[in-house]
Amino acid sequence: AQTVTQSQPEMSVQEAETVTLSCTYDTSESNYYLFWYKQPPSRQMILVIRQEAYKQQNATENRFSVNFQKAAKSFSLKISDSQLGDTAMYFCAFMKHRGSGGSNYKLTFGKGTLLTVNP
Amino acid sequence: EAGVAQSPRYKIIEKRQSVAFWCNPISGHATLYWYQQILGQGPKLLIQFQNNGVVDDSQLPKDRFSAERLKGVDSTLKIQPAKLEDSAVYLCASSRLGQHMNTEAFFGQGTRLTVV
Repeated sequence: AQTVTQSQPEMSVQEAETVTLSCTYDTSESNYYLFWYKQPPSRQMILVIRQEAYKQQNATENRFSVNFQKAAKSFSLKISDSQLGDTAMYFCAFMKHRGSGGSNYKLTFGKGTLLTVNP
Repeated sequence: EAGVAQSPRYKIIEKRQSVAFWCNPISGHATLYWYQQILGQGPKLLIQFQNNGVVDDSQLPKDRFSAERLKGVDSTLKIQPAKLEDSAVYLCASSRLGQHMNTEAFFGQGTRLTVV
């Protein structure tokens, strides 16, 4: 079974600054996906960024980038130039790759980090 | 494209009552998930459908929870009878069934259930 751990329950950052959210995971799978989801007060989960484990290059999406360390099973999210709209819960999640066999592709989530961006 | 639709948005019931939640996934999405998110925790999978078949219901409390996905489209999740610990947000998500790779899961806005 997979586990995802987010060790920072809450973080805060000043507007326009950079913040890094941490995530570690445990799995015996060799091929999988890692995700960061954002959940604002509206409750809707929004995909922020996705990383495929077999790709060595770290994923980036505009102001969002990840530091994926496969050997260390670490997957941190860096938010640059933080904006007030970035205030939300951030969840790290794991999903095994379709090529791993079977048909169970559930997302396993961490407990989340509440990020507050201060003006 | 229209997103995942869920109703109701909020529900308050007394313990031992029954309740049902409805989800309409994105058109063409074969996979549908129901997650339970207790306050302060990450979502936990309750059940996963692929078309109208159940793929994983290992964490569904089957003595009180049931779910169905008729015709492989809409889905309902029912709790009967409800307990205080069922108070949570119930999230529905859907994804396309990619041929060679997993595809993104899209989430609805969830139903906040309060059991008093």
